[in-house]
Amino acid sequence: EPEVTQTPSHQVTQMGQEVILRCVPISNHLYFYWYRQILGQKVEFLVSFYNNEISEKSEIFDDQFSVERPDGSNFTLKIRSTKLEDSAMYFCASSEARTQYFGPGTRLLVL
Amino acid sequence: AQRVTQPEKLLSVFKGAPVELKCNYSYSGSPELFWYVQYSRQRLQLLLRHISRESIKGFTADLNKGETSFHLKKPFAQEEDSAMYYCALKTGATNKLIFGTGTLLAVQP
Repeated sequence: EPEVTQTPSHQVTQMGQEVILRCVPISNHLYFYWYRQILGQKVEFLVSFYNNEISEKSEIFDDQFSVERPDGSNFTLKIRSTKLEDSAMYFCASSEARTQYFGPGTRLLVL
Repeated sequence: AQRVTQPEKLLSVFKGAPVELKCNYSYSGSPELFWYVQYSRQRLQLLLRHISRESIKGFTADLNKGETSFHLKKPFAQEEDSAMYYCALKTGATNKLIFGTGTLLAVQP
């Protein structure tokens, strides 16, 4: 069964550094998403992406964040200048229509 | 405001006992509700969605619009059901999922 994959599984970075989190959605899916989960808190929506553009974003998704689909398979989340509070588990998801399928997550630690 | 409430952080039951994980939502329109499960060190996996009215691994959930609830039930819990369970709401206007805080189900032998 096809699955969403994410790399890296863990990333440690210094405050102020840029990070890029990578996702490979399920191949025939058209909708892509990023969510994050700060330790001990709920899973929160960040952004959705369809037809090569952002379709919706949350208040969390400020100018420090960007998403891209650089080729036919990858979907990336970039954080330009990381802050301590960006430390979280970041989940990518994709969907064909209604149901979203999640990747295993990338645990980001900002020191 | 759109919101999902899972009032129990932890639910501990014995093997063979019935389980009910509570989920209430707040949304004025026509909701789509989902249950996701996360086993230890694994990804979020779809367990149920209300529109398909299916039973997966013995779990069922009925959407009650009057009570704005979508409780997850299983008549006889198994040890392998131990996991984190998240209720999620998708509103008609967007595709984003709004998650509850999750309930950790611990099934004791």
